[in-house]
Amino acid sequence: NAGVTQTPKFQVLKTGQSMTLQCAQDMNHEYMSWYRQDPGMGLRLIHYSVGAGITDQGEVPNGYNVSRSTTEDFPLRLLSAAPSQTSVYFCASSSTRWEQYFGPGTRLTVT
Amino acid sequence: AQSVTQPDIHITVSEGASLELRCNYSYGATPYLFWYVQSPGQGLQLLLKYFSGDTLVQGIKGFEAEFKRSQSSFNLRKPSVHWSDAAEYFCAVGAQGAQKLVFGQGTRLTINP
Repeated sequence: NAGVTQTPKFQVLKTGQSMTLQCAQDMNHEYMSWYRQDPGMGLRLIHYSVGAGITDQGEVPNGYNVSRSTTEDFPLRLLSAAPSQTSVYFCASSSTRWEQYFGPGTRLTVT
Repeated sequence: AQSVTQPDIHITVSEGASLELRCNYSYGATPYLFWYVQSPGQGLQLLLKYFSGDTLVQGIKGFEAEFKRSQSSFNLRKPSVHWSDAAEYFCAVGAQGAQKLVFGQGTRLTINP
């Protein structure tokens, strides 16, 4: 049981490039979410999904897209990277929305 | 709207000393309360949770927390810290009918030998 996995662990992008952060879980959880963590700001919700085919915006969704075609996978797409998107990104999953299990994170730097 | 405040950004305690990390929340309904721990370079791990019932909850690694409705608080405690407890600790709040879990800004714990 791998839990929540995220790839890559580290990524450096140039401004304007696009990329996809991968997230997968093997716990059959319906609820998945993406957060970004910035110093002094805790975790902020980017997007979340309550099941396959259903996604919704969190508090900081601009510049990011998500889709949920399967229960297991919840990729996060950066459409045109900006330096303000330099952050650590965490994916989480939950059976109830509240008790969330987190992946190890992806550290993204945009230059 | 839900909000969570962790008043202490950084706390330093000596190994073997007791610990209390503060968390205050703001939400009209009965909250669901959580404490997470993040070791350096790692993801967040759930320490303990409160949904209802007994207001003193026990978690992993010897931690406990007490829900005090009158003070809107959910402070985390440990009677004797170990060097391995050095980490960042996040309080979070949710509630039935709310859309998301809201996290505090975190408290960084340093342990002096």
